[in-house]
Amino acid sequence: ETGVTQTPRHLVMGMTNKKSLKCEQHLGHNAMYWYKQSAKKPLELMFVYSLEERVENNSVPSRFSPECPNSSHLFLHLHTLQPEDSALYLCASSRTPGQGTDTQYFGPGTRLTVL
Amino acid sequence: GQNIDQPTEMTATEGAIVQINCTYQTSGFNGLFWYQQHAGEAPTFLSYNVLDGLEEKGRFSSFLSRSKGYSYLLLKELQMKDSASYLCACMDSNYQLIWGAGTKLIIKP
Repeated sequence: ETGVTQTPRHLVMGMTNKKSLKCEQHLGHNAMYWYKQSAKKPLELMFVYSLEERVENNSVPSRFSPECPNSSHLFLHLHTLQPEDSALYLCASSRTPGQGTDTQYFGPGTRLTVL
Repeated sequence: GQNIDQPTEMTATEGAIVQINCTYQTSGFNGLFWYQQHAGEAPTFLSYNVLDGLEEKGRFSSFLSRSKGYSYLLLKELQMKDSASYLCACMDSNYQLIWGAGTKLIIKP
């Protein structure tokens, strides 16, 4: 199933690099999400966009900068990251944010390693 | 604070039945989700419960007790491909998902 795609799948970067993660959803959904997944920890919600407007920013360091140019695309711009930022970054989308039955559909993630 | 608890790891035998429990404490409740995540892959939606009781979908069933803040995922006739992590998540009063750390299920032949 290719409803939500993410590129790249793997990324290794130094602490001084700048890179971007890309997410695209082909489901006609209205909301998109960035999550961080670290080993043996719950998914951490980073950002939420609903109808291209940022509605959630969960105390994420400014070295992570999201961008949502339209309802199908979501980016996460990375700069001067720390080794503890190494994790799996998951993108998700959903159709009807603000409703209990709203189901999120995930992309395969980008495995990020910061050296 | 908000909290979701589920076992870190479970082991079961092919062909058997396994029950993965999840307890939750959230500010408000708008439903509980179960997802399956194979290693290196996207989490995929399994079930949604908002009313008390059992929801059955083929080999998988999910149960909810709102009064007890408790849910379980029941997997029957286990197959090797069921080896995965199972994530429990509750939707709080702000319609935000609060996630558990996941249960890694290992299936042995």
